[in-house]
Amino acid sequence: DAGITQSPRHKVTETGTPVTLRCHQTENHRYMYWYRQDPGHGLRLIHYSYGVKDTDKGEVSDGYSVSRSKTEDFLLTLESATSSQTSVYFCAISESSPSLSPLHFGNGTRLTVT
Amino acid sequence: QQQVKQSPQSLIVQKGGISIINCAYENTAFDYFPWYQQFPGKGPALLIAIRPDVSEKKEGRFTISFNKSAKQFSLHIMDSQPGDSATYFCAAVAGGTSYGKLTFGQGTILTVHP
Repeated sequence: DAGITQSPRHKVTETGTPVTLRCHQTENHRYMYWYRQDPGHGLRLIHYSYGVKDTDKGEVSDGYSVSRSKTEDFLLTLESATSSQTSVYFCAISESSPSLSPLHFGNGTRLTVT
Repeated sequence: QQQVKQSPQSLIVQKGGISIINCAYENTAFDYFPWYQQFPGKGPALLIAIRPDVSEKKEGRFTISFNKSAKQFSLHIMDSQPGDSATYFCAAVAGGTSYGKLTFGQGTILTVHP
């Protein structure tokens, strides 16, 4: 799957706790993304990165932060998890802008906030 | 704010039939329209894509039809097979300086009966 590893694959956590999801790539691609997938909403962009330490917000960024200190790793943090953040989270990478090269997705992390 | 609207939400087709999924967009700056296919437990994967300088693109049994004036595009799956059963997402992105914000439709769950 295009050298993308998401960890953990499944996580159950309690409301109010911090959670960090990790995306690791071996493709040396410049762009990395975090999407969440919810029924009826499709895939919605949370944050993305266009280079080391270069990140920007997507359409549903409230309650989430990201960091990218190395090309290969992109971390998504929920500072204080809420039940509305129960979702499947996908990391994606692309060699350049998505209008020029396709996104390659990981297999997702299923997060449940109780 | 859903910039790409996809229909239907679900679709049931008999083996050998034609599956048609429709998408509409608002942003006239969009200039690249990919379709992604997702199997259960996996991340989405690029299926086929089109740019607005052509009205149709065909790859095997999959065809994208594009109507720039109506701001609509659709995916046609000819001779649908049970192995095509998956969730399909249309998407759109504007090139230039938008730094790769790929916007997805809500998704269509396709079931092909044997």
